[in-house]
Amino acid sequence: RKEVEQDPGPFNVPEGATVAFNCTYSNSASQSFFWYRQDCRKEPKLLMSVYSSGNEDGRFTAQLNRASQYISLLIRDSKLSDSATYLCVVNMGGNSGNTPLVFGKGTRLSVIA
Amino acid sequence: EAQVTQNPRYLITVTGKKLTVTCSQNMNHEYMSWYRQDPGLGLRQIYYSMNVEVTDKGDVPEGYKVSRKEKRNFPLILESPSPNQTSLYFCASSFGPASTDTQYFGPGTRLTVL
Repeated sequence: RKEVEQDPGPFNVPEGATVAFNCTYSNSASQSFFWYRQDCRKEPKLLMSVYSSGNEDGRFTAQLNRASQYISLLIRDSKLSDSATYLCVVNMGGNSGNTPLVFGKGTRLSVIA
Repeated sequence: EAQVTQNPRYLITVTGKKLTVTCSQNMNHEYMSWYRQDPGLGLRQIYYSMNVEVTDKGDVPEGYKVSRKEKRNFPLILESPSPNQTSLYFCASSFGPASTDTQYFGPGTRLTVL
């Protein structure tokens, strides 16, 4: 069964806080992992890919734990502009052109002044 | 500007009246997909295309058709829309397979079927 699970939130945090989201996936054969950001009533946009060794982009850090089948996103020094829904996206095994890509339902973040 | 465009952005229609939602990308991407997004369900893939004249079903293809006659265009066709197809629809494209490459989404089409 294809499944990507996220805590829907909302996470309400003050500006400057550090917040972490986790996402679990069911298929141990999954090979590609992403975090997308979606603003209210807008299209999703890639925030970052998640690599096996973990990766950082400014205030954002993504980590992958294959043994426990979860990925995480850490946001440091939260800004008001970080308020959005964060989508965990996982491919369900293999990297061919027709490998299904499964989106989590999203975690909503509100950063409060 | 590199982009994916969709038209119309908003549409209210009635059951059974055929409609087409257009999608066009100017990035010369091989791969294109259609998704629908419903509250509490996340994005689900309807159809995808790996190249011109190559299309395949996604997770929820029932009630939809697509075509890929040109690389840049990937229209979504609802031959006989029903109320359960009321949703927010996104077209997406990527240079490589969607399963490994960044997907660029269009702005979305909000469809209501009465």
